[in-house]
Amino acid sequence: QKEVEQNSGPLSVPEGAIASLNCTYSDRGSQSFFWYRQYSGKSPELIMFIYSNGDKEDGRFTAQLNKASQYVSLLIRDSQPSDSATYLCAVTWEAGTALIFGKGTTLSVSS
Amino acid sequence: DGGITQSPKYLFRKEGQNVTLSCEQNLNHDAMYWYRQDPGQGLRLIYYSQIVNDFQKGDIAEGYSVSREKKESFPLTVTSAQKNPTAFYLCASSIDLGAFEQYFGPGTRLTVT
Repeated sequence: QKEVEQNSGPLSVPEGAIASLNCTYSDRGSQSFFWYRQYSGKSPELIMFIYSNGDKEDGRFTAQLNKASQYVSLLIRDSQPSDSATYLCAVTWEAGTALIFGKGTTLSVSS
Repeated sequence: DGGITQSPKYLFRKEGQNVTLSCEQNLNHDAMYWYRQDPGQGLRLIYYSQIVNDFQKGDIAEGYSVSREKKESFPLTVTSAQKNPTAFYLCASSIDLGAFEQYFGPGTRLTVT
């Protein structure tokens, strides 16, 4: 059974701080990793995806992948109250299968 | 504008009635998906389709049915056999099945009483 695990939170950080969100997955054969942001009552929106070990940066967001340790993380620099949302990690293991989502981590950024 | 549309946004039904949720995309994506989300929970896969006239069961397909007669459309029917149908239903699409990012529609919130 392939699983994606996230700490449900809430993770609370002050405005301007770095928020660190973590995700672990159960199988080394994973291929692609995605981070989605979901505001309350809304649908998920894609923030970033990463395929290779290492870091990938996009604006205030950095995704970090470590396949040997089976984790992927999302760093949000200079956190803003508008970043307050639930962040979903999703993993795909092989071509021809659907993404498997974690339950999400709720982030709260206080001003 | 390209995107995924779902209708209606809110849907109310009496227990024992079947209900069909609409999902249309104009992104020319081959793969489409249906997820269910309950409060405080992640997304659970109901059905997915890679091509027209073909679809596969996800983790929680019991009590649901789908069709894929056109590339653009992937309607979901919630049947009376689904024991707990009240939930937030999300449709998504991607270029192809597998290692590709999925894009989501706005969702339909179904309440069955």
